[in-house]
Amino acid sequence: GQNIDQPTEMTATEGAIVQINCTYQTSGFNGLFWYQQHAGEAPTFLSYNVLDGLEEKGRFSSFLSRSKGYSYLLLKELQMKDSASYLCAVNRGTDSWGKLQFGAGTQVVVTP
Amino acid sequence: GAVVSQHPSRVICKSGTSVKIECRSLDFQATTMFWYRQFPKQSLMLMATSNEGSKATYEQGVEKDKFLINHASLTLSTLTVTSAHPEDSSFYICSARSGLAGAPSGDTQYFGPGTRLTVL
Repeated sequence: GQNIDQPTEMTATEGAIVQINCTYQTSGFNGLFWYQQHAGEAPTFLSYNVLDGLEEKGRFSSFLSRSKGYSYLLLKELQMKDSASYLCAVNRGTDSWGKLQFGAGTQVVVTP
Repeated sequence: GAVVSQHPSRVICKSGTSVKIECRSLDFQATTMFWYRQFPKQSLMLMATSNEGSKATYEQGVEKDKFLINHASLTLSTLTVTSAHPEDSSFYICSARSGLAGAPSGDTQYFGPGTRLTVL
């Protein structure tokens, strides 16, 4: 079947680091995206991995291991505004801009 | 970054009526647009892929006669929920693909702000 699994919720303190894991089993794979979504709003793009390894972008980093079907999003120096849902999405399309299958999202709660 | 708009942002309608939602790419031409639905505390579920000038491709389990999609131009796609019922109440989000040539980057699919549909 097609599965994308991520934890439901994580809580962390302002200034801390949080790692959100995502495991996937999909029939096709053409890259993995991480999006941030605040309640009632559309997702905004955070990162994209298509090759194994770590991609760093400011306070956010994303890692991919295709052989293990595993990715994580690392949020450093947490700020209150980082409280949101973080969505892992696999591109199952035949080209790199194809269909996205989303995980259910991980709600991150940042506390003072 | 690229901007995608949706209209209306919220709509409340009576059961049995039809509702049209517009998705526009404001500063680029979108060869492909995607329509998603998201129920509370659940994931975004892809409903259909809309290509300009051709019929939409629907995901398994999505009724094409109930969710009519028209992609009349490179900047506009519409989703019409026909004979809406309370179970159709959801957050509908479109995304637009810019279709730029060259190496893909992660941000070539841009999301609209979503439309909250409530069917009474």
